[in-house]
Parts: sequence; structure tokens; C-alpha cells
Amino acid sequence: AQSVTQLDSQVPVFEEAPVELRCNYSSSVSVYLFWYVQYPNQGLQLLLKYLSGSTLVKGINGFEAEFNKSQTSFHLRKPSVHISDTAEYFCAVTLQDAGNNRKLIWGLGTSLAVNP
Amino acid sequence: SAVISQKPSRDICQRGTSLTIQCQVDSQVTMMFWYRQQPGQSLTLIATANQGSEATYESGFVIDKFPISRPNLTFSTLTVSNMSPEDSSIYLCSANRGMNTEAFFGQGTRLTVV
Repeated sequence: AQSVTQLDSQVPVFEEAPVELRCNYSSSVSVYLFWYVQYPNQGLQLLLKYLSGSTLVKGINGFEAEFNKSQTSFHLRKPSVHISDTAEYFCAVTLQDAGNNRKLIWGLGTSLAVNP
Repeated sequence: SAVISQKPSRDICQRGTSLTIQCQVDSQVTMMFWYRQQPGQSLTLIATANQGSEATYESGFVIDKFPISRPNLTFSTLTVSNMSPEDSSIYLCSANRGMNTEAFFGQGTRLTVV
């Protein structure tokens, strides 16, 4: 079955430390990849996306992600986190199902907690 | 980009009643979706709202329980019918202009059924 796996449900980190949130997907066809952030009691906001071209994509708030086709991964990174980065992060991938229909599949989310 | 207005933002409802959630987009979009998000969990797609035709429901969701309308390219409603406490959740409206573009989200409707 098509799936998106976020390997860490919770990531605690100290302020100004680097962070990596991992995302793997299962697909053998071309995909579109997204990272969204959800701050407490708010909707989802796009951080960054990969559609084609350079495999390293930069997003808002200093985040970046690298698409690795051979490892079917799209890990999110930030070199130095801030308290305000505390939020839920969702990886989402547009995958093609057996009927050649494209569907957006969501990971279960990673809760990033930045501590002072 | 697109701005999505969703209302109500929250409601507390009696079991057995129904609630209709409205979703208004500030520009024409190709696709509109309704999601459910349990507290602290990921998004579960309820259905794709199709303009001028019946919505496409995901496994585990049926039209009788979650009737959806989409009369035009900028507006959709989701009704949660005959509610029970198990329907307590956040309901999110989403829209995009194609599967290779980003999805935009409303702020969500926090529903509590008592």
C-alpha cells in the first residue's frame, strides 16, 4: 500500500541546535513532496515543496529539505531552531494509486519541542 | 495563494443533531477536500468535494453521515449528521489547483459532541 512514514513521533531539541525530521515514502512513480507545519490550535501552513528540479529545496523560516529518490526520503532540516519552531510537522506526498489517480498521502506527524 | 475561510471555528453540539461547516475560498480552485483530524493525530481524508456532482468518499466515510455540497468553484459545505461523541474532532477544509500544487487549509472547525 502507498504510505508516508515519519520515523519520529516526537523530537525534543534545545534552542539553537540543529534538527532533522525524517520522512520516507513508498512509491515507484514520480511524486510531489511537501512539508507542512501546524502551530497549536491553527491550520496547516506549507513550509516547502518539491515538484521537480534541484533536489535541495528551501522553505520558509529557515527550513530546507532534500529529496533522495534512491532512498525515497524527503527529510526536513534546520541548522538552528528557535522556540517558535515548536509545532507539529507533517510530511505529505502526492502518490499515484493503482487506478492512476493521484492522491495526497499524509504522514502521522512529528511533534517538535524546542526547549530553552 | 488562496485564503480559506471556514466557519464555525468551533461548536459544542448535542448528540443526535447535525452541524454544517462552511468553507469559502477567495479564488477559484480546482479541488476541494474535507479532512478530519483527531487531537494530536494526522489528517484523515473524508472526501473530495466535486463541483456539480456527488463527492468522492474515502473508505469508512459515507454520504449519509457526511453529506457534502460544492455548488461552485469557491464554496463547499460538510454536514456531520446524527452526531455522536465519537464525531468530536477537528474538521479541516482544504483546496488546491492541482495535485502538483500546494494545498491550502482553513483554520479548522473544532467540534465537540456532548
